[in-house]
Amino acid sequence: DQQVKQNSPSLSVQEGRISILNCDYTNSMFDYFLWYKKYPAEGPTFLISISSIKDKNEDGRFTVFLNKSAKHLSLHIVPSQPGDSAVYFCAASETGANSKLTFGKGITLSVRP
Amino acid sequence: ETGVTQTPRHLVMGMTNKKSLKCEQHLGHNAMYWYKQSAKKPLELMFVYNFKEQTENNSVPSRFSPECPNSSHLFLHLHTLQPEDSALYLCASSRLWQVQETQYFGPGTRLLVL
Repeated sequence: DQQVKQNSPSLSVQEGRISILNCDYTNSMFDYFLWYKKYPAEGPTFLISISSIKDKNEDGRFTVFLNKSAKHLSLHIVPSQPGDSAVYFCAASETGANSKLTFGKGITLSVRP
Repeated sequence: ETGVTQTPRHLVMGMTNKKSLKCEQHLGHNAMYWYKQSAKKPLELMFVYNFKEQTENNSVPSRFSPECPNSSHLFLHLHTLQPEDSALYLCASSRLWQVQETQYFGPGTRLLVL
């Protein structure tokens, strides 16, 4: 059973518009969340993270929102650019020593020029 | 440039073969990881080495044998694998084994077991 779920396998948006990528989790002990981006033939690269003490974290065009009561987080990309086309992985963990990341399956984002 | 390299990038092996995957990081990190990504499945953590000591074995079958001779190198020795072991194997490293420390991934080795 998956503890981190990315239920939509793909998303297509127009360049310049907002991309919203969703992620749900089931483990209430998770208190640290991350998004990774992966281009073909490359390893995942860290994008942005959020701790459960916050409900929003912003870095340039990327914003992650956390709704703890709903066990839901989302990544917003505004404005979307063709170079954002990649697979986006949501990951979650409990903070503390020896913690492990639990990943979702990923969402393939396509940004149309 | 992630600073984490993996060789080979592609590997085809029979079930009776023995092969090794190599990972090298040039970032001065102290924690290294092996992950497995099977088709249509999430990344799964296999092993963690922290300061060259194996600190996590995520119920991985013994046909996968990791080795960390120093903090810059990590190997995954493979023997008598099964076709269901075909997957993308990713190596990662971080400064410390803490979730707040960013993990840097290599490009992966795509393994096909025939």
